[in-house]
Amino acid sequence: VQLLESGGGLVQPGGSLRLSCAASGFTFNNFAMAWARQAPGKGLEWVTSISGRSGHTYYADSVKGRLTISRDNSQNILYLQMNSLRAEDTAMYYCAKGLGVGATWFEFDYWGQGILVTVAT
Amino acid sequence: DIQMTQSPASLSASVGDRVTITCRASQGISNYLAWIQHKPGKAPKSLIYAASHLHSGVPSKFSGSGSGTDFTLTISSLQPEDFATYYCQQYYSYPLTFGQGTRLEIK
Repeated sequence: VQLLESGGGLVQPGGSLRLSCAASGFTFNNFAMAWARQAPGKGLEWVTSISGRSGHTYYADSVKGRLTISRDNSQNILYLQMNSLRAEDTAMYYCAKGLGVGATWFEFDYWGQGILVTVAT
Repeated sequence: DIQMTQSPASLSASVGDRVTITCRASQGISNYLAWIQHKPGKAPKSLIYAASHLHSGVPSKFSGSGSGTDFTLTISSLQPEDFATYYCQQYYSYPLTFGQGTRLEIK
């Protein structure tokens, strides 16, 4: 299993960014996926999850309406569209694979190395 | 939201020691509890799911127990590669929540 995040960087408050996670080594559409993050000096925080086939999504209240998870099962890529970014969104973002196809009870399985997003002027 | 509280926040131990980390949920979560290891600059690593089931490839020196609100992670025969931060995480209901982490340091 490999999960490779890309698309991070420095963005101004109010700006947008799209993260990608290229997945390999497993049948992508058979597994739920998620994004989690770790702000500087803080612990892990779940951000959003998506089921494998139906595309059902779940969001943390802190990102609802601003961040959108999606997946392209034909290309084995997970996305995180980030709009209206705030300073408090500054964090290392991790892509993660679930243990099963559903996201109702999401068990983290494999994690990517992470990609840094910095929101600052 | 379900709050997850870990103790201790930090722990010093020696190579060869056995250590136990506890995690308490603010309400019952059955066995929907995971343990995750995280080293600085590395990808987090999932160790245990369903409170006591080891992920593939995780050595048996790691063990988990508990149900309802109280859970433990035990690591036996500590090796240098085990020194990291450990998080518990509930997936009983959304939002998924993590404990604040337990930093395991070499004495």
